[in-house]
Amino acid sequence: SQELEQSPQSLIVQEGKNLTINCTSSKTLYGLYWYKQKYGEGLIFLMMLQKGGEEKSHEKITAKLDEKKQQSSLHITASQPSHAGIYLCGADPGNQFYFGTGTSLTVIP
Amino acid sequence: GAGVSQSPRYKVAKRGQDVALRCDPISGHVSLFWYQQALGQGPEFLTYFQNEAQLDKSGLPSDRFFAERPEGSVSTLKIQRTQQEDSAVYLCASSRPTRKDGDTQYFGPGTRLTVL
Repeated sequence: SQELEQSPQSLIVQEGKNLTINCTSSKTLYGLYWYKQKYGEGLIFLMMLQKGGEEKSHEKITAKLDEKKQQSSLHITASQPSHAGIYLCGADPGNQFYFGTGTSLTVIP
Repeated sequence: GAGVSQSPRYKVAKRGQDVALRCDPISGHVSLFWYQQALGQGPEFLTYFQNEAQLDKSGLPSDRFFAERPEGSVSTLKIQRTQQEDSAVYLCASSRPTRKDGDTQYFGPGTRLTVL
């Protein structure tokens, strides 16, 4: 099975600060998903990275995939309270989908 | 357009009771997945359907858990003789007809099950 370890486990930042969340895989990554989850809501798809070295951005969120390190990072620039939630990375090596351990983000206004 | 819907959104059951959780996937989505998310943890895979065929049920934690999708659309996850450790959010997801590498799963809001 594939294990995805996220760090940090939780993060509290002041509004306007930048932050980075990491996702490290126990196996080679052939693609990686990032999701956000808010209490009482379904998972929200943020972005998918397929190639080593790939970098994607959506609004103030940027994600990178480093296949050699079997790692992906999610970077939020100038964080806002609306960014608060749980961020999950995910990978699908076959028919089964694996999720990371999750990072809880709190943004203080 | 309509997304994945799940019902009920919240369910409280007494230990030993049977429960049934429903998932309505996005119309035309062939693949359907069930996940269990315990408090403070990431979702864990339970089972996967392609149309009405259950292709993978390796994640079901015990034989008290049973999932079906008889007509290849709506799916029901049934838990018999619920235990306290079954308390979790149960997430359903569906994906597009052409399932290839990099296909995106769309998630429902989840059903929060609390077993007393």
